[in-house]
Amino acid sequence: AIQLTQSPSSLSASVGDRVTITCRASQGVSSALAWFQQKPGKAPKLLIYDASSLETGVPRRFSGSGSGTDFTLTISSLQPEDFATYYCQQFNNFPLTFGGGTKVEIK
Amino acid sequence: QVQLQESGPGLVKPSETLSLTCAVSGYSISSGDYWGWFRQPPGKGLEWIGSIYYGGRAYYNPTLKSRVTMSLDTSNNQLSLRLTSVTAADTAVYYCAKDRNGNFDFWGQGTLVTVSS
Repeated sequence: AIQLTQSPSSLSASVGDRVTITCRASQGVSSALAWFQQKPGKAPKLLIYDASSLETGVPRRFSGSGSGTDFTLTISSLQPEDFATYYCQQFNNFPLTFGGGTKVEIK
Repeated sequence: QVQLQESGPGLVKPSETLSLTCAVSGYSISSGDYWGWFRQPPGKGLEWIGSIYYGGRAYYNPTLKSRVTMSLDTSNNQLSLRLTSVTAADTAVYYCAKDRNGNFDFWGQGTLVTVSS
């Protein structure tokens, strides 16, 4: 199974900060990667699909980049509603796998 | 608007079978997409359980494959999940989701299943 390693596992940031989360795959997944946001008690929400495409309705401050084994999720200016846990997920190969998550907390 | 709603027993005894359904509204499960099941143990990360195509072909996580069965009920527009021989390690929030070309774009709100005697 393809392993996805997210870093950092947690971070503290302030409103307005630029935040970058990385996801590294144990083998190439092309652009078959998605990013999700999850808030406590809620289902994951798709933010970025196919590594770099912004899902409809998601604010433009979110962006994704990368292909192959290295991917990045960037929040250009952190907003209060962005404090959550973020997961990457690959769908290039079965079994589908997720990164361990990055918890973004208020500084 | 596509909506998914999981339902089933919130408590299952060890060694018994967990059975969940996922009712889909606003979209036909026969439309040619994959549908997935996921779970998340309390305080932990997400795990893919498996995916099923409207034609019935299913792919399961190898770690659960011997215990999992997924099916589609097109007449009621719903998905089903069965997990046999459950243990405490199967305690989790279970989610169903719609697959759009590999990207899961719509999710149910999740249902907590606790395995305990």
